[in-house]
Amino acid sequence: EVQLVESGGGLVQPGRSLKLSCVASGFTFSNYGMNWIRQAPGKGLEWVAYISSGSSYIYYAETVKGRFTISRDNAKNTLYLQMTSLRSEDTALYYCASRLHGVIRDWGQGVMVTVSS
Amino acid sequence: DIQMTQSPSSLSVSLGDNVTFTCEASENIYGFLAWYQQKLGKAPKLLIYGATNLEDGVPTRFSGSGSWTNYSLTISSLEPEDIATYYCQNNHVYPLTFGSGTKLEIK
Repeated sequence: EVQLVESGGGLVQPGRSLKLSCVASGFTFSNYGMNWIRQAPGKGLEWVAYISSGSSYIYYAETVKGRFTISRDNAKNTLYLQMTSLRSEDTALYYCASRLHGVIRDWGQGVMVTVSS
Repeated sequence: DIQMTQSPSSLSVSLGDNVTFTCEASENIYGFLAWYQQKLGKAPKLLIYGATNLEDGVPTRFSGSGSWTNYSLTISSLEPEDIATYYCQNNHVYPLTFGSGTKLEIK
């Protein structure tokens, strides 16, 4: 069974940093591209970042470029999102999601990030 | 960036109805279109990929169609468990973009 389990969320002050993790199991993590996708409370889905299976290709949404860094450790089956200079508008539920052959199929349960003073 | 425009934003329906949502891309996405269902408090679930391909395990009352910039999702004979919000997604190029969603409500 595919499992994606996010962690590392919480309440953080504006301007501070936070690092999210997503541990994968039930599939060959090193073969899959991975994404972070977020959803602000009561709002729709917003794609945040993508990293290819071997970390050769990395893309970011303009709203987070220069502040967020996606990375992965295939030996640990773990995806990361380092978030810096956090803003109130970054408040959201952050999902990790796997992508294979162009399709985002499996999602984690999400981890909440709240940016507030 | 490719903009995805979904309509309507909400829909009041009755059980047993046939329901169709539409999604328009701001440019040709060559059929790289996915539909997701999201129930309250849950992660999105893939229903359709490649505009017309039904994901394994998804009931056959769900179907997708479309090409170029115009796509649709149809639910035939709505069941109670279909009450959710539905999102389309450009799966062609990064940045991946989602429609704003269509929320189904019971009439």
